[in-house]
Amino acid sequence: AQSVSQHNHHVILSEAASLELGCNYSYGGTVNLFWYVQYPGQHLQLLLKYFSGDPLVKGIKGFEAEFIKSKFSFTLRKPSVQWSDTAEYFCAADSYGNNRLAFGKGNQVVVIP
Amino acid sequence: EAGVTQFPSHSVIEKGQTVTLRCDPISGHDNLYWYRRVMGKEIKFLLHFVKESKQDESGMPNNRFLAERTGGTYSTLKVQPAELEDSGVYFCASSQSQGIRSPLHFGNGTRLTVT
Repeated sequence: AQSVSQHNHHVILSEAASLELGCNYSYGGTVNLFWYVQYPGQHLQLLLKYFSGDPLVKGIKGFEAEFIKSKFSFTLRKPSVQWSDTAEYFCAADSYGNNRLAFGKGNQVVVIP
Repeated sequence: EAGVTQFPSHSVIEKGQTVTLRCDPISGHDNLYWYRRVMGKEIKFLLHFVKESKQDESGMPNNRFLAERTGGTYSTLKVQPAELEDSGVYFCASSQSQGIRSPLHFGNGTRLTVT
């Protein structure tokens, strides 16, 4: 079964700092990858996704992610965070192609003004 | 368009009681999914409906959990009898079609606490 791991579950940053969240998945075949964000009191929202093609994908709100197949990784980045980026971030993978997602444990990110 | 709505937002029940969670997907979305996050752990897939049919229920933890989607509109997830380990946040999501390119829309979740 596919699994997803995220590290550094709690991250505290100052505004304007750069954010990098790592994600590794276990499945060796074709896999679709996602980063979701959950702002306080809100629902999970899709930040970005990777299916194929350019391994550098851009998402909403200035986020981007890099897929490295050889490392089974999908790293989320934002060059300069804002207080409003305080949220929990989830990496997810789908090897079934039907929205049956395997999620990581999440990264709780707090941005200090 | 209205998003995915879940009710109730919070539920506190005692061990052994029954609880029913409800999910209203986005109108026209045939695919409905239930996920669960137990505290400190990953969000895990429970099951997937296509209209009123269970497409995949391999994630359901045991037979104390019963999901239904009569008429292919809203869905309910009943836990009977509830156990302490059932505590967590239950998420519902819907998508227009089954493929991965049809994005999932999540509800706010129902936080279930079993005491």
